Amino acid sequence: DIQMTQSPSSLSASVGDRVTITCRASQSISYYLNWYQQKPGKAPNVLIYAASSLQSGVPSRFSGSGSGTDFTLTISSLQPEDFATYYCQESYSTPPTFGQGTKLEIK
Amino acid sequence: QVQLQESGPGLVKPSETLSLTCTVSGGSITTYYWTWIRQPPGKGLEWIGYVYYTGSTNYNPSLKSRVAMSVDTSKNHFSLKLTSVTAADTAVYFCARWLQGAYTWFDPWGQGTLVTVSS
Repeated sequence: DIQMTQSPSSLSASVGDRVTITCRASQSISYYLNWYQQKPGKAPNVLIYAASSLQSGVPSRFSGSGSGTDFTLTISSLQPEDFATYYCQESYSTPPTFGQGTKLEIK
Repeated sequence: QVQLQESGPGLVKPSETLSLTCTVSGGSITTYYWTWIRQPPGKGLEWIGYVYYTGSTNYNPSLKSRVAMSVDTSKNHFSLKLTSVTAADTAVYFCARWLQGAYTWFDPWGQGTLVTVSS
């Protein structure tokens, strides 16, 4: 299985901050990388697919980049509703695997 | 707009079989791949496997010996069975559609259902 490692595991930030979360794959996965947001007690929702494509309905302050083994999710200006846990997920192989999550908290 | 809803017992005894159903509304179950993903309390996400509308399946090797998935197109639902459960199988179980194309991702998801394994 491909191992996905996110950093940091947790992050404190303020409304209006620019935030970057990174995800590293244990082998090259080209652009086969998705990002999800999960709020407490809810299911994950896809934000970004294919490394940099914004899912319909997702605010443009979210963006993704990277290829191969290193990827980033950037939130350009944090809003109160963005405080949640974020997961990356590789879709290069079966079984698809997820990162361990990055919890974004209010400073 | 497609919506998914999990249903099934919230409590299962050790060594017994966990059974869940995911009902799809707002769209047909045909054409797509349907998947189960679980999340132990306070932990990350684990893909369990998928069932295609034709009935073909593929399971995570870590669970393959204990998992069975099926689909009922007449009822627009699909199901998960996990045998010989232990406390380690306690988790929120999500069903989701697995969109396939040049790239793949999970969307939408059901709200999830907590299954606790305990005597």
